[in-house]
Amino acid sequence: KNEVEQSPQNLTAQEGEFITINCSYSVGISALHWLQQHPGGGIVSLFMLSSGKKKHGRLIATINIQEKHSSLHITASHPRDSAVYICAAVRGGGADGLTFGKGTHLIIQP
Amino acid sequence: KAGVTQTPRYLIKTRGQQVTLSCSPISGHRSVSWYQQTPGQGLQFLFEYFSETQRNKGNFPGRFSGRQFSNSRSEMNVSTLELGDSALYLCASSLWRTDTQYFGPGTRLTVL
Repeated sequence: KNEVEQSPQNLTAQEGEFITINCSYSVGISALHWLQQHPGGGIVSLFMLSSGKKKHGRLIATINIQEKHSSLHITASHPRDSAVYICAAVRGGGADGLTFGKGTHLIIQP
Repeated sequence: KAGVTQTPRYLIKTRGQQVTLSCSPISGHRSVSWYQQTPGQGLQFLFEYFSETQRNKGNFPGRFSGRQFSNSRSEMNVSTLELGDSALYLCASSLWRTDTQYFGPGTRLTVL
C-alpha cells in the first residue's frame, strides 16, 4: 500500500461541474502539497497546507491532519483545468523529502 | 523574477554512459530538490540540497549523485546509465527547506 493514496485515478467531467479529488496518507506529516501538471511536464504548486483550508480563485484545498485526509476542490470547472493533480506529503518536518501520490488525471469536457 | 531553469531540456544517451543535468533556482532560493518521474513509478524524491549540503536522499542507488554550488545552482549526475533511468528529471527550488517549491520544466532523459 502506498503511503499517499489519491482517488479517483481518472476523472472526466463536464464544464461547470464541481470537482473533488481526494488524498489520504498513512504516515505522519507536517504539511501537504497539491500540484498541477499539464501535458508536457511542467508542474505548478497550487497549495501547501498544514491545517484547515486555503482558497485561490476557483480552487479550494482542505486538510484534516487527524483524519490523514486532504481534498482539492475545483468550482465551476473549465477545460483549461484539465491536467494531472498530484498530492505530496511533507514528512519529518521536510527532512525526508516529498512523498507523492500517483496523481489524478482530470479531463473537463466543454 | 525568472523561474527555475533546467538544462538541457532533452537528452539521449546510451547504456553505460553518464549524464549531468543542471538546475538554476529562482534568485534567492537556497533549497533545491531533485525528482524523477516515470510512467510506472510516478514522482519520486531523489535528493535535496540546502546551502551546498545534501540534506537527505531518496531511495536511489549510488549511481545518482548531485551537488550544489555557492550560488545555489545544482547539478545531478547519473553514472553507468541503465534503460530504467529514462525519465523526466525535475528540480524544484524554495526559499527555505519547508517552503512552497517552484518546479523547473524538467529534463527528459532517454537511455537507449
